[in-house]
Amino acid sequence: AQRVTQPEKLLSVFKGAPVELKCNYSYSGSPELFWYVQYSRQRLQLLLRHISRESIKGFTADLNKGETSFHLKKPFAQEEDSAMYYCALSDQGAQKLVFGQGTRLTINP
Amino acid sequence: NAGVMQNPRHLVRRRGQEARLRCSPMKGHSHVYWYRQLPEEGLKFMVYLQKENIIDESGMPKERFSAEFPKEGPSILRIQQVVRGDSAAYFCASSQGMIAEQFFGPGTRLTVL
Repeated sequence: AQRVTQPEKLLSVFKGAPVELKCNYSYSGSPELFWYVQYSRQRLQLLLRHISRESIKGFTADLNKGETSFHLKKPFAQEEDSAMYYCALSDQGAQKLVFGQGTRLTINP
Repeated sequence: NAGVMQNPRHLVRRRGQEARLRCSPMKGHSHVYWYRQLPEEGLKFMVYLQKENIIDESGMPKERFSAEFPKEGPSILRIQQVVRGDSAAYFCASSQGMIAEQFFGPGTRLTVL
């Protein structure tokens, strides 16, 4: 069965420190991986997807098929990065998204 | 483009009543998805619809829940005879096509008393 695991419910780092939000998945095929973000009082929005290989707001994520991971990283955290982050996958043949439980990231000044 | 619209934003029902949640997709989007988020959990897929068709309802509970996306008007998620366990946030998303990005609405928070 498809599953996405985000082991940290809460993560707190200081401004300027590196950030890594962990995401592991279990899936037998070739999934597409995503990171979604929800800022306070805003709707869920796509941050990045692995096929685009973009860096958005300084965040990057590399798909590691050997470790079945898709960790989200940023070298220098900013206060505006405080938000709820969800890792998700979809089967390339289907449209539904499977979400992790989410990690609440807090950037301390 | 106002984005995906959901109403009501908050809905309170007593046990046994019906709940109707509405979702208007973004302009030009013909694919709609419904997700449910229980407290302290991630979003869970419920159903995927295109205009007038249910494509994938593998996440829908077998009883009391139904969804539609008529030719005209919003998509409706209907929960009959609500129970306390139905209390959750229900999110709708829409996309232009099958592999396109899903855009999410603000959600409807259902509380069952």
